[in-house]
Parts: sequence; C-alpha cells; structure tokens
Amino acid sequence: DGGITQSPKYLFRKEGQNVTLSCEQNLNHDAMYWYRQDPGQGLRLIYYSQIVNDFQKGDIAEGYSVSREKKESFPLTVTSAQKNPTAFYLCASSISQGRNYGYTFGSGTRLTVV
Amino acid sequence: AQSVTQLGSHVSVSEGALVLLRCNYSSSVPPYLFWYVQYPNQGLQLLLKYTTGATLVKGINGFEAEFKKSETSFHLTKPSAHMSDAAEYFCAVSAETNAGKSTFGDGTTLTVKP
Repeated sequence: DGGITQSPKYLFRKEGQNVTLSCEQNLNHDAMYWYRQDPGQGLRLIYYSQIVNDFQKGDIAEGYSVSREKKESFPLTVTSAQKNPTAFYLCASSISQGRNYGYTFGSGTRLTVV
Repeated sequence: AQSVTQLGSHVSVSEGALVLLRCNYSSSVPPYLFWYVQYPNQGLQLLLKYTTGATLVKGINGFEAEFKKSETSFHLTKPSAHMSDAAEYFCAVSAETNAGKSTFGDGTTLTVKP
C-alpha cells in the first residue's frame, strides 16, 4: 500500500544535540511538507518542498533544516538552535505543487527534550 | 493571506445526535477547503475536500460539509454521531496560488457520550 512512513515514532533529544526525523513516501507525490503540532494548537508549517533539490521555509523554520535529494525522501533536522523542540512532528505530501487536493500524512514523530 | 477559525475547541454530543463542527475561513483568492480527523498519537486523515464545483461535499464515515462563500464558512456535519467519531477535527484552507500550502485551524475535539 502507498503511504508515508515517519521514523522513529518517539525520539528523545538531549540539550545541544541535533536530531533527524525521517519521512519517506511511495505515493509518487511531488510536494512534501513538515508541520509541527503543539497541544491545543493547530499545525504550523516548518518547511516545504515542491520538487527535488528545492525547498522553502515555512512560518517557523528557525532552528530546523531539511533536504530533498530524492523525490521519496524529505528528512527534517532539528538543530540545537531550536530552543523549544518538544512537539509532535508531522510529514505530509500532496500530488503536486499548487494543486493541493488534500494531504496524505504520516503517523508522526513525537520529540521530547530530556 | 489565508486563515482558519474553528469555533469551539471542544464539542460534546450524545450518540445518535447531530454533529456540527464550525469552520470559517479567510482567503484573498478562491479557496480549497478541507476537513481532517486525528486520533490520539496518529497523523491526520482527510475526511473531505472542496476545490471547485458542487458546494455540498460528502466524505468518509458519513460526514459532509457545505461551502458557503457568502458566509466564508465550511461547517462539518454528520446526522448521527457514533462513538468511533470521537477524535480531533481540523479545518484547513489552501489555494492554487499558494504552492499547495495549507493553513490549519486550532482543531475541535469531539466527545461522543453514550
């Protein structure tokens, strides 16, 4: 079955450490997105990519970085510059840029600072 | 610019009663509108979408929503609530001119009482 796989499901980060969240899709979708979800809040856009080797900052990109070397993969790195990284991170994809007919989401990664 | 307001962060209904979750949007261009459902510790799942055409759209699990341009609304309804409908629901807006980016509301938690 086609879908989006996020790993790991749970991740613990020490202060000053960089961590990378994986997102892989086999839907042949062009566009991929990273959102952050905090309790009682909606989703906030971190980064998005419309094609391979290109990506743009979203509303809360500070302290995060991404790459898009393959169509299927869009990993997110949470750097030590992100001061409040504890949150639920969701990766999503849509069939093409501009024509958003709805996202397919992964099952999320819950990141906790210890 | 686009935004979404979901009226009521918590809604409680009895099993078998009507479900009504409210969503108002703001968009400077013709919007695409979506409702998603999220169960605890999971990603979001697309319930239904409005892009163009018929303003009453039907989705999965018996849900439907009506796009009312004059009221800038896209309320979600279901005639008869089931216990399995208990979840968090998100309304989202996008536009073809916005690179497929979606802006999400803060969510509404639906509780279904037996």
